[in-house]
Amino acid sequence: GEDVEQSLFLSVREGDSSVINCTYTDSSSTYLYWYKQEPGAGLQLLTYIFSNMDMKQDQRLTVLLNKKDKHLSLRIADTQTGDSAIYFCAESKDYGQNFVFGPGTRLSVLP
Amino acid sequence: DTGVSQDPRHKITKRGQNVTFRCDPISEHNRLYWYRQTLGQGPEFLTYFQNEAQLEKSRLLSDRFSAERPKGSFSTLEIQRTEQGDSAMYLCASSLERELFFGSGTQLSVL
Repeated sequence: GEDVEQSLFLSVREGDSSVINCTYTDSSSTYLYWYKQEPGAGLQLLTYIFSNMDMKQDQRLTVLLNKKDKHLSLRIADTQTGDSAIYFCAESKDYGQNFVFGPGTRLSVLP
Repeated sequence: DTGVSQDPRHKITKRGQNVTFRCDPISEHNRLYWYRQTLGQGPEFLTYFQNEAQLEKSRLLSDRFSAERPKGSFSTLEIQRTEQGDSAMYLCASSLERELFFGSGTQLSVL
């Protein structure tokens, strides 16, 4: 079955880089996503990557995909206190319930 | 505001009561999803509409839950005879292509 795993917590100092990791099991997933959730809010799409890519960069965000190991990571450069939130990895191969979320990684940015 | 809107933001109810939530998707989006999220977990799929047709429903979804999307625009999610285990954040999302856009959610507390 489909499963997405993430480490639950990460703490970094302001100005450092953060790396949030995710593993997934469904090798037929075609799209992999990173969402951000702040307290009391819905999920905000940060970026996504097609499974035929191995890297995508968007300003301070870099996504790396290792399809062989089914491993996805999100790197946030120059992490700021405003980056403190829960980050969800998600995979999909089609519309509907095949969109599967991980449990989320709570990122805490220390001054 | 052209985002996904959900109403109400918060709902407190007594066990056994019925509740109904509303979601207004982004206007040109033909796909609409309902998810449930409990504390410390990622969103869990409930059901999916393409236009007015309900195409998928989670096997975990109790018969007490029903969703509609008349005319393919807004959607409602009704929970009958609420139980304490129904307490959660109910998230609505809409999409046109591969990206899901989420509303801020309805936080349900069943006393």
